[in-house]
Amino acid sequence: QPVLTQSPSTSGTPGRRVTISCSGGSSNIGRNVVNWYQHLPGTAPKLLIYKNNERPSGVPDRFSGSKSGTSASLAISGLQSEDEANYYCAAWDDSLNGVVFGGGTKVTVL
Amino acid sequence: QVQLVESGGGLVRPGGSLRLSCAASGFTFSDYYMTWIRQAPGKGLEWLSYIGDSGTTIFFADSVKARFTISRDNAKNSLYLQMNSLRAEDTAVYFCAKERYSGYADGIFDSWGQGTLVTVSS
Repeated sequence: QPVLTQSPSTSGTPGRRVTISCSGGSSNIGRNVVNWYQHLPGTAPKLLIYKNNERPSGVPDRFSGSKSGTSASLAISGLQSEDEANYYCAAWDDSLNGVVFGGGTKVTVL
Repeated sequence: QVQLVESGGGLVRPGGSLRLSCAASGFTFSDYYMTWIRQAPGKGLEWLSYIGDSGTTIFFADSVKARFTISRDNAKNSLYLQMNSLRAEDTAVYFCAKERYSGYADGIFDSWGQGTLVTVSS
């Protein structure tokens, strides 16, 4: 079972806003930064958001991240068809001395 | 640009061994912590192991700690994962990934390979 909890799926029509939540605990999200990855099956995962809300160069500002306490969220505004993918949150876990991932959220563009 | 290419995957019987490789280019390999992550069929991403830039610092997930070994050859710009006593549940696509910042591990993986498939089956 993944240490971080994400809802399995969400969907939206083009142009709308969707939010993905990620819930953890005091040893991971509560103490460390949260990072988000976008993954299309058969491809290399892509870093989407790091340090809670930073975007690597080339990532559109439609993607934004936030963190509060032991939870984090990823928002996608102006949803586009190419955003259809799986999204994973991740954080360092001080108790496990390693990285923990969420189970992933599949975003479907209707 | 940064490129990571995994190899060594394939079909192996339960109890068998396999060595995965990750060839790195486009950055100063010896400056960065590197990691292995896997994705079982229909499942999410699972972090497996970290190795420090010099190879002396190593972390492992409990799920594989007693069976897998991570190593690197900075002269060859290569990362390795030695997998022993393989089980059916080790069937997955295995990715290598690079830390965003040099010199330490903070779980920010800014470059990933395409992955190599390991199938454990009799």
